[in-house]
Amino acid sequence: EAGVTQFPSHSVIEKGQTVTLRCDPISGHDNLYWYRRVMGKEIKFLLHFVKESKQDESGMPNNRFLAERTGGTYSTLKVQPAELEDSGVYFCASSQDLGPSGGYTFGSGTRLTVV
Amino acid sequence: GENVEQHPSTLSVQEGDSAVIKCTYSDSASNYFPWYKQELGKGPQLIIDIRSNVGEKKDQRIAVTLNKTAKHFSLHITETQPEDSAVYFCAASKRGADGLTFGKGTHLIIQP
Repeated sequence: EAGVTQFPSHSVIEKGQTVTLRCDPISGHDNLYWYRRVMGKEIKFLLHFVKESKQDESGMPNNRFLAERTGGTYSTLKVQPAELEDSGVYFCASSQDLGPSGGYTFGSGTRLTVV
Repeated sequence: GENVEQHPSTLSVQEGDSAVIKCTYSDSASNYFPWYKQELGKGPQLIIDIRSNVGEKKDQRIAVTLNKTAKHFSLHITETQPEDSAVYFCAASKRGADGLTFGKGTHLIIQP
C-alpha cells in the first residue's frame, strides 16, 4: 500500500510568489490533515478535510493560504503571495478513522523556503 | 487552547543506556497522547500512544507513562540503539478535536 505522498519535496520561491503544495493521501482515507513546522518550533495543525469538506480550518494562519480537496482525493495547499514567515516544512497526514486517535499516517513533508 | 511543553530539546545518551523525554499539557480535557519519531527526510511516524484511562503502556523497548493529575506524560526508551537517533515529538488531543497539539520536539542522539 502506498503511503501519503507529498510533492514537491522542496520548494524555494521568492517573497510575493505563489506556491502550490500537493498531498495524495492513502487510498480510501476520507480524513486528510495539513500541518506545518516552522524552524525549531512545534508542528502546528492547519486544517482537516473529511472527503472534500473542510471539517476544521481553525489553524490556517491567514487568507493567503487556500486549501482544496476537490473530489475528496488529493489536496492542494496554495500560498499566495508567499511571505518570509511562511518558510517551514508542511506535512500532510491521512487517516481512515476520524480524529487524532484514528491513527495518522504522515507524508514526508514539503520544505518551503521563501527568500 | 491546548499547550504542550516538551523537554529536553536535545538529549545525548550512550548506546545501551535509557532515554527519557517529558511533556506537560495544559488542557485537562485532553485524553489522547501519541509519540512520534521523525527521521531525517521522513515524516513523523507514530511509535506509541496512550489514552487517559491508562497510566502506562509498553511496547518492547518503548514505554509511555501518563500522570493525569499532574498533566504530564513521558517517553522511556531502554537499551538505546543507534537507530533510535531521531527527533521525537509528543502530542495531545481531546475528544472532538480535529488536530493534534505537538510539543517542540527532542533531538535524541545515541552515542556509540
